[in-house]
Amino acid sequence: DAGVIQSPRHEVTEMGQEVTLRCKPISGHNSLFWYRQTMMRGLELLIYFNNNVPIDDSGMPEDRFSAKMPNASFSTLKIQPSEPRDSAVYFCASSFPRRGHGNTIYFGEGSWLTVV
Amino acid sequence: AQSVTQLDSQVPVFEEAPVELRCNYSSSVSVYLFWYVQYPNQGLQLLLKYLSGSTLVKGINGFEAEFNKSQTSFHLRKPSVHISDTAEYFCAVSFPNDYKLSFGAGTTVTVRA
Repeated sequence: DAGVIQSPRHEVTEMGQEVTLRCKPISGHNSLFWYRQTMMRGLELLIYFNNNVPIDDSGMPEDRFSAKMPNASFSTLKIQPSEPRDSAVYFCASSFPRRGHGNTIYFGEGSWLTVV
Repeated sequence: AQSVTQLDSQVPVFEEAPVELRCNYSSSVSVYLFWYVQYPNQGLQLLLKYLSGSTLVKGINGFEAEFNKSQTSFHLRKPSVHISDTAEYFCAVSFPNDYKLSFGAGTTVTVRA
């Protein structure tokens, strides 16, 4: 089965440019997460969607960050304008929470972003 | 509120030796517990999870973990490690019916020949 698919895997961009990260969740999963991983802060939850609706965006750092989920099989995370401190690995993850089975989250391979 | 503490940030170990990674959580109610592994330059992969029932949970790649409610711990063990077990390991916790996973800071395991 295909897992969570993210693109691009690696991106190097200049400060001020717009960055768009893409994610295709596992088919049938109704929950989608965007995480950011850095050495300093570890894994941080940025935003959570359920049935394509943003439920919790309290982890989004600032207005430069936005995320959308136009349908069940696609989501984007956009940074505009990008700054060097946005350099990190961005993970998309998905799940299908079931009562009594826990919310097992499946991660993509990550998008490694470097802003210079 | 819930939190997860991984007591060791770095664990060096020799090949074929046993390893234990410690994880403690704080919660006044029942929780679900998870261990994830992140190999270099890859995403996180589920190793094992505890939801209920037997406190000893077996996962992939020969790993197992034991849930200890009285000590609020969920330590991960492997009796004999391989070079390929070199990775970062994350403990995570969630409430039943909650979407959020709270991750620990991670433990880097380096296996040497």
